[in-house]
Amino acid sequence: EAGVVQSPRYKIIEKKQPVAFWCNPISGHNTLYWYLQNLGQGPELLIRYENEEAVDDSQLPKDRFSAERLKGVDSTLKIQPAELGDSAVYLCASSLQGGDMAFFGQGTRLTVV
Amino acid sequence: QKEVEQDPGPLSVPEGAIVSLNCTYSNSAFQYFMWYRQYSRKGPELLMYTYSSGNKEDGRFTAQVDKSSKYISLFIRDSQPSDSATYLCAIAQTGANNLFFGTGTRLTVIP
Repeated sequence: EAGVVQSPRYKIIEKKQPVAFWCNPISGHNTLYWYLQNLGQGPELLIRYENEEAVDDSQLPKDRFSAERLKGVDSTLKIQPAELGDSAVYLCASSLQGGDMAFFGQGTRLTVV
Repeated sequence: QKEVEQDPGPLSVPEGAIVSLNCTYSNSAFQYFMWYRQYSRKGPELLMYTYSSGNKEDGRFTAQVDKSSKYISLFIRDSQPSDSATYLCAIAQTGANNLFFGTGTRLTVIP
């Protein structure tokens, strides 16, 4: 069974440019998460989806970040415009709805120059 | 104050050593305790999962939860160079929906 798939794995962009990350969760997992991991830190939740509904986006910087999960399966996280401080690893995870365990993808490493 | 505190290390041990990794947390409402292993440039991989107090063993790995002390531990027996990674503790009140992660402890096992 395939795990959580993310693309791209690496992305380098200039500041003020837009960028988008894509995630496909484990089949059957209705809950999808986007996490941010800074160097030397643990992941921090940005947004959680139950099917296509964003049920927790309290930590998402909405002035420049947006996310969507239109059909309740794969999801896209966008940053526009990117800032130098956005350089980090963006992780996607999924779980069964109401489940106890979250499974992570490999992450997208973003570098803003 | 962070929800969970973890010594970032780094920690270096010789092959075959017993490794002890620890985290403390502040809120007694947390009931779910997890350990993730993260290799360099990879995503976190769920290693151990424990609900409430007690011990859980899986091969060379043992997870221990002491809710009275708000202290969780991961023990690795007969450590191998392939165990070299960053180990993240994670805690939650209601399952996977609201995980709080420690900063991670970077472990190196020297052959």
